Amino acid sequence: AQTVTQSQPEMSVQEAETVTLSCTYDTSESDYYLFWYKQPPSRQMILVIRQEAYKQQNATENRFSVNFQKAAKSFSLKISDSQLGDAAMYFCAYRSQETTSGSRLTFGEGTQLTVNP
Amino acid sequence: DAGVIQSPRHEVTEMGQEVTLRCKPISGHNSLFWYRQTMMRGLELLIYFNNNVPIDDSGMPEDRFSAKMPNASFSTLKIQPSEPRDSAVYFCASSLKTIGRGLTDTQYFGPGTRLTVL
Repeated sequence: AQTVTQSQPEMSVQEAETVTLSCTYDTSESDYYLFWYKQPPSRQMILVIRQEAYKQQNATENRFSVNFQKAAKSFSLKISDSQLGDAAMYFCAYRSQETTSGSRLTFGEGTQLTVNP
Repeated sequence: DAGVIQSPRHEVTEMGQEVTLRCKPISGHNSLFWYRQTMMRGLELLIYFNNNVPIDDSGMPEDRFSAKMPNASFSTLKIQPSEPRDSAVYFCASSLKTIGRGLTDTQYFGPGTRLTVL
């Protein structure tokens, strides 16, 4: 079974600065997908960014980018020019490519990000 | 698009009562997921439907939990009888699953239902 680990329960960053959230995962599969979801105090789970393991290029979405290191099984999220609205719990998630179990998302424990004005 | 709709947003009930949570997926999506979020266990998948058929219910904790999807636009998660340990936030998510490689079936989440069982 796959596991996802977020080793930073809490992180803080100054507004306009850059912060990196860590995520590692364990899998024996070669093809899979990785996601970062954001959960603000409203509890809504919001997709931030996604990465296909077969693509070597790191995904980017505006101020959000990832550093995907397949050999190291690492998938970190970088937030540039942090804004107060970025404050939230961030979850890293793994999805298999396999057909039978492929749609199950396995989540990490989450990292609570605080943005200081 | 309206997004995934869940009701109720909050539910408070007493132990032993029946609880029904409802979900309307995004129009056109063919996969639906029920997740539960607790402090102790984090986010975990309870059950997953594809084209209204349950595909993976290995996460359903016990027989007190049941889920149905009578049509493509509606699903329910029922707990009978409810217990205090069922208190959690329950999320519904939907996606459009297609054949082939790619991220077409990214899951989009509803706002969740916060359940409190006294």
